[in-house]
Amino acid sequence: GQNIDQPTEMTATEGAIVQINCTYQTSGFNGLFWYQQHAGEAPTFLSYNVLDGLEEKGRFSSFLSRSKGYSYLLLKELQMKDSASYLCAVLDSNYQLIWGAGTKLIIKP
Amino acid sequence: NAGVTQTPKFRVLKTGQSMTLLCAQDMNHEYMYWYRQDPGMGLRLIHYSVGEGTTAKGEVPDGYNVSRLKKQNFLLGLESAAPSQTSVYFCASSRQGPEETQYFGPGTRLLVL
Repeated sequence: GQNIDQPTEMTATEGAIVQINCTYQTSGFNGLFWYQQHAGEAPTFLSYNVLDGLEEKGRFSSFLSRSKGYSYLLLKELQMKDSASYLCAVLDSNYQLIWGAGTKLIIKP
Repeated sequence: NAGVTQTPKFRVLKTGQSMTLLCAQDMNHEYMYWYRQDPGMGLRLIHYSVGEGTTAKGEVPDGYNVSRLKKQNFLLGLESAAPSQTSVYFCASSRQGPEETQYFGPGTRLLVL
């Protein structure tokens, strides 16, 4: 079967750095997405990786290793508004998007 | 430019009742999707459409029907609601296929008693 694993919940301190991991086992791979979802709101796009390596966008970076079936989202200089769930999703060989259950990130002052 | 909108925002149904959820997008996107989101689970695709007049089944289509008569609208119908359909429903659209960014509506919270 197809599987996306993310930690259920993480806690970090305002101003710090946090890394949210995502491991996947899917039938094929055509890219990996990260979305942010604030409580009670819609998911919004953060990043898309299809090749190995690190993609940086301001305070957020996303890393992919296709050989290890692994990605992480790195958030720097954490702000209270970063408190949200972070969803990892993998596009499989049939171009079906498989979603992880999400990681709830709690930021403490 | 409203993006993706959904109506209603919240609804309570009794078992066996029917309803239609409406999704509209003003971005001229070809692809539209209906998902459900349940606690502790990832988003699950119910149905999707690759263009006006087309629909296809997703991962969990049973108990739902869809229609895409106009490019900008994607309707999700529940013919006979069941408590297992209590969920948050999200509509999304993308310019072309799922390899592109999906833009989500604000969601519809449905409670089936």
